[in-house]
Amino acid sequence: QKEVEQNSGPLSVPEGAIASLNCTYSDRVSQSFFWYRQYSGKSPELIMSIYSNGDKEDGRFTAQLNKASQYVSLLIRDSQPSDSATYLCAVNMRGSQGNLIFGKGTKLSVKP
Amino acid sequence: DVKVTQSSRYLVKRTGEKVFLECVQDMDHENMFWYRQDPGLGLRLIYFSYDVKMKEKGDIPEGYSVSREKKERFSLILESASTNQTSMYLCASSTPVGRINSEQYFGPGTRLTVT
Repeated sequence: QKEVEQNSGPLSVPEGAIASLNCTYSDRVSQSFFWYRQYSGKSPELIMSIYSNGDKEDGRFTAQLNKASQYVSLLIRDSQPSDSATYLCAVNMRGSQGNLIFGKGTKLSVKP
Repeated sequence: DVKVTQSSRYLVKRTGEKVFLECVQDMDHENMFWYRQDPGLGLRLIYFSYDVKMKEKGDIPEGYSVSREKKERFSLILESASTNQTSMYLCASSTPVGRINSEQYFGPGTRLTVT
């Protein structure tokens, strides 16, 4: 069973803090990893992709990948109330015909 | 700029009606997908297509069919709508299967209510 696991939250952080969102996946040979942000009532929006072990930074967002531990995370620095949303982790696993397996998402709340 | 559009944002249909949901992408993507999203269940793949006139079942194809006559357009059909098909329907497209960076881009979604 191919799975992507996320803590459903809610994760509550104060404005200006670092929010840390975590995701584990079941298939060791997965190749591609994505983070989507979804505001309530809206569709998922791609915010980060990562393919190699290590960190990838884009503005206030940093994605971290550790394939040996089957773990991918998203850090949001200087969190803003506008970051309040559900964050979906998605993984392209072997045998999934290129389809993404999505986690159920972590709800983030940034308090002013 | 990446663009996926869906024919309706909100739709209300009666039980037993045939329902068509349309999706169009302008990125020349080979792959297109239909998902439904329900609270607590996450995103579930209904059908996908990796080429014109090609389709593959996803995790929950029962009660649905699809059509892809042109590369840019992927339609989801509910042959006889039922109340348990009330949901948010999301279309997505991506670069071809097998490419490592197969990023999916979503349309705005259609919230379908079947009464």
